[in-house]
Amino acid sequence: EPEVTQTPSHQVTQMGQEVILRCVPISNHLYFYWYRQILGQKVEFLVSFYNNEISEKSEIFDDQFSVERPDGSNFTLKIRSTKLEDSAMYFCASSPRVKETQYFGPGTRLLVL
Amino acid sequence: AQRVTQPEKLLSVFKGAPVELKCNYSYSGSPELFWYVQYSRQRLQLLLRHISRESIKGFTADLNKGETSFHLKKPFAQEEDSAMYYCALSNQAGTALIFGKGTTLSVSS
Repeated sequence: EPEVTQTPSHQVTQMGQEVILRCVPISNHLYFYWYRQILGQKVEFLVSFYNNEISEKSEIFDDQFSVERPDGSNFTLKIRSTKLEDSAMYFCASSPRVKETQYFGPGTRLLVL
Repeated sequence: AQRVTQPEKLLSVFKGAPVELKCNYSYSGSPELFWYVQYSRQRLQLLLRHISRESIKGFTADLNKGETSFHLKKPFAQEEDSAMYYCALSNQAGTALIFGKGTTLSVSS
């Protein structure tokens, strides 16, 4: 059964550095999402993406975040200048169409020092 | 405001006991609700969604619009049901899921 994959599984970075988190959504899915979960807190929506455009974003998704689909398979989340509070588990998800089940990747654990 | 509340952080039961994981929501309009489960060291996966009205792994959930609830139930818990359970609500456009804080279910023998 096809699955969403994410790389790396863990990333440690210094405050102020840029990080790129990568995701490969399920191949015939059209909608892509990023969520994050700070340790001990709830899973929070960041952004959804369709047809090479952001379709929805939360107030967490400020100017330091960006998303891109650089080729036919990858979907990336970039954090331009990381802060300590960006330390979290970041989940990518995809769905065939809007309002359909979202399938989640295993997550990337980001630690900002 | 759209919100999902899971009041219990941890629910501990014995094998064979009934389980009810509570979920309440705040939403104007017709909500679309989901239960996701995360087993140890695994990814979040869909357990069930209210529109499909299925029973998965013996779990059921009924949408009660009067009480704004979508509680997850199973008549006889199994040890393999031990996991983190998240209730989630889709926003109106269907472009985002709003999650509750999750409930850890621990089933012991």
